[in-house]
Amino acid sequence: AQSVSQHNHHVILSEAASLELGCNYSYGGTVNLFWYVQYPGQHLQLLLKYFSGDPLVKGIKGFEAEFIKSKFSFNLRKPSVQWSDTAEYFCAVSGGSSNTGKLIFGQGTTLQVKP
Amino acid sequence: DVKVTQSSRYLVKRTGEKVFLECVQDMDHENMFWYRQDPGLGLRLIYFSYDVKMKEKGDIPEGYSVSREKKERFSLILESASTNQTSMYLCASRDTGVTAPQHFGDGTRLSIL
Repeated sequence: AQSVSQHNHHVILSEAASLELGCNYSYGGTVNLFWYVQYPGQHLQLLLKYFSGDPLVKGIKGFEAEFIKSKFSFNLRKPSVQWSDTAEYFCAVSGGSSNTGKLIFGQGTTLQVKP
Repeated sequence: DVKVTQSSRYLVKRTGEKVFLECVQDMDHENMFWYRQDPGLGLRLIYFSYDVKMKEKGDIPEGYSVSREKKERFSLILESASTNQTSMYLCASRDTGVTAPQHFGDGTRLSIL
């Protein structure tokens, strides 16, 4: 079955600490991969996406993610987090040739950054 | 910028009521989606639509129906609301093309008493 798994459900970091959030997927065929963020009280926003090419993808606000095909992973990273990064983060996958863009989401990771 | 507008941020209804959640997008997108978001479960797809009057079931369609009479509007209907449908409901829209991302509304927090 197609699925997305985010291993860390709740992460607490101090400001300036480095961040890595894990995401693994199970999906046959080629995939498109996404990370979305939901700041408190706001709508989901796209952080970054991967479709093809360079497996290291850079997104907004200093975030990046690396697609490792052999590990079925798409981990999110940020070298130095800020208090304003406190949010819920979702990894999602769609089929590589999907025209409807139907997404499968992970369970989400709540990140709390302490000032 | 894409704007996806959900008609209510908060809604309180009673068990057995018929509930309508409305979603409007302003970018002429072909694809629209309804999700519910629950803690620890992420977002789960209820229904989606890839064109006017076209719809497909998602992963958890039971107890829900949808309507898409116009391209910009996608309605989610709870035929007979139950307490286990208390949740945050998110609408999204998306252009065609394999690289297009989904754009989300602010969500409707629905409580069924």
